[in-house]
Amino acid sequence: DVKVTQSSRYLVKRTGEKVFLECVQDMDHENMFWYRQDPGLGLRLIYFSYDVKMKEKGDIPEGYSVSREKKERFSLILESASTNQTSMYLCASRTGTGRNTIYFGEGSWLTVV
Amino acid sequence: DQQVKQNSPSLSVQEGRISILNCDYTNSMFDYFLWYKKYPAEGPTFLISISSIKDKNEDGRFTVFLNKSAKHLSLHIVPSQPGDSAVYFCAASGAGSYQLTFGKGTKLSVIP
Repeated sequence: DVKVTQSSRYLVKRTGEKVFLECVQDMDHENMFWYRQDPGLGLRLIYFSYDVKMKEKGDIPEGYSVSREKKERFSLILESASTNQTSMYLCASRTGTGRNTIYFGEGSWLTVV
Repeated sequence: DQQVKQNSPSLSVQEGRISILNCDYTNSMFDYFLWYKKYPAEGPTFLISISSIKDKNEDGRFTVFLNKSAKHLSLHIVPSQPGDSAVYFCAASGAGSYQLTFGKGTKLSVIP
């Protein structure tokens, strides 16, 4: 079974803090993704990476950055957290392109106060 | 501009009856479609998929239908069970595309 593990399930951070969300997958997938989920807005792609050290902006990259130093690990960074970044963050991975399933982690609930 | 639309934010169904969740898409380059199920405070889990060369795919109580000419797909759950209560997301992908495009989700409530 594919396993995508997000290191923190629940976090509370203060406005202006730097926040790191870590994700590890164990299936040697080339592609990794960060989404956020908000009620009524569905799943919105923040960033994705198709290879080590490669990254592409998704639909809502503003206020976020990412790092992929190793194939199995993809980190999401909030340089200066703001209250409008309170959300559920979902990491996912996938092999190849086109007709392949994407697998999600359990999610990280971030509250910025 | 939403390329994948789930026009019903919510749906209530009696236990044992059929649940039908709908999804429309606009991008004719999409050729692979998936449904995900999501419980609160958990990540989405893959449910079923269909490629554009088929018009139906079945897996137990779950069946997905694809109407390419109408750019419409639907997920049928028969019979519906209370444990099916969750948010269902429709997603689409095109050949050579790294990412999936998701709809906004439909919250299904199955009433005992």
